Amino acid sequence: DQQVKQNSPSLSVQEGRISILNCDYTNSMFDYFLWYKKYPAEGPTFLISISSIKDKNEDGRFTVFLNKSAKHLSLHIVPSQPGDSAVYFCAASAIRGAQKLVFGQGTRLTINP
Amino acid sequence: SAVISQKPSRDICQRGTSLTIQCQVDSQVTMMFWYRQQPGQSLTLIATANQGSEATYESGFVIDKFPISRPNLTFSTLTVSNMSPEDSSIYLCSVAVTGGETQYFGPGTRLLVL
Repeated sequence: DQQVKQNSPSLSVQEGRISILNCDYTNSMFDYFLWYKKYPAEGPTFLISISSIKDKNEDGRFTVFLNKSAKHLSLHIVPSQPGDSAVYFCAASAIRGAQKLVFGQGTRLTINP
Repeated sequence: SAVISQKPSRDICQRGTSLTIQCQVDSQVTMMFWYRQQPGQSLTLIATANQGSEATYESGFVIDKFPISRPNLTFSTLTVSNMSPEDSSIYLCSVAVTGGETQYFGPGTRLLVL
């Protein structure tokens, strides 16, 4: 049972445009959500997070939106840069403090010059 | 944040053997975790490494196959025992810092079992 789903395995975006990565979850107990970026041969790097008490969190070029009623979150990157090309993982936790993370399958983002 | 190192970074092993992976953190942390990423798959939590006591395993993972030690607040090991080709994966250590709200990941150990 895949509790966190990223239905797009890949996404290609033009440099300078907006990248939107989507994530759906099924477990209503999830309280905290995170996005990680992963380059080949490296561990995941934390990007941004959001608590269930918020519907938006922004950090520079990265914004995460949470729609609790739809059990959906999205990551917006604007403007997209070539260095953003990586695999992006959505993760969720039922316990604040990022314990026991449940990950989605990942979306490979490619930024084209 | 925390700086995490793992040894070895990669290995090729024969089936039936065991491999111990080390995870070292540059500061004392409250929680340490071990994840597995099988080829083309997502990250799956294997267990939480508890300092001074037995690890807490997730469904589908058992201590006999993945024994874990955590002798102090900065170090943990994961052993992959009696390996088969299905154990070929990336094994990742992660930590949660006291009072923090995220997990930081090590670079991972790429394991290929022949």
